[in-house]
Amino acid sequence: SQQGEEDPQALSIQEGENATMNCSYKTSINNLQWYRQNSGRGLVHLILIRSNEREKHSGRLRVTLDTSKKSSSLLITASRAADTASYFCATAKRSNDYKLSFGAGTTVTVRA
Amino acid sequence: DAGVTQSPTHLIKTRGQQVTLRCSPKSGHDTVSWYQQALGQGPQFIFQYYEEEERQRGNFPDRFSGHQFPNYSSELNVNALLLGDSALYLCASSLLASGGYTSYNEQFFGPGTRLTVL
Repeated sequence: SQQGEEDPQALSIQEGENATMNCSYKTSINNLQWYRQNSGRGLVHLILIRSNEREKHSGRLRVTLDTSKKSSSLLITASRAADTASYFCATAKRSNDYKLSFGAGTTVTVRA
Repeated sequence: DAGVTQSPTHLIKTRGQQVTLRCSPKSGHDTVSWYQQALGQGPQFIFQYYEEEERQRGNFPDRFSGHQFPNYSSELNVNALLLGDSALYLCASSLLASGGYTSYNEQFFGPGTRLTVL
């Protein structure tokens, strides 16, 4: 079974617009990570946010974490065609836990 | 600096057969994890190897076994293949010994091996 659930399942936006996707999880966590996957290939690590953090930025990415609601959001600003991919959230229960639990992902299509 | 490599890229097997997938970790990494990703789903953790031993394991049957070699490369073996084993198998490497015992070190994923079971 998968710990995280992403919402929406699919998202289509125009280039330059912002894309927001959400992730909900079920049990307490140490950290939550977001990954990108292009066309069924390998995953690329985007950002990690720890349970004691509320917001984190990396370039055009902004991640929030609300542990009281067991949810996280990923915002991609000023989207580009190259952002077209599937995005997954993954949770870890302990600080040195490599057994990541992934959600089913959000497929983002950026139209030129 | 080579990233994580996996072989083969694609593989077709029939039910009941056995398969071995291979992974070479990123240079300097000592830990390898394996994930199974069914079509349209997120990856599911199979197991992790460190110092040639299985360190963590997910909810997969004993048909799934692995091995890590002294050079840190790893193999995933699946016996008695079922149709449901068709998936993308991903390998990820990280550096555990250097802070990884108490904090998380980023995992780097390989491109995966696409296994089709007929």
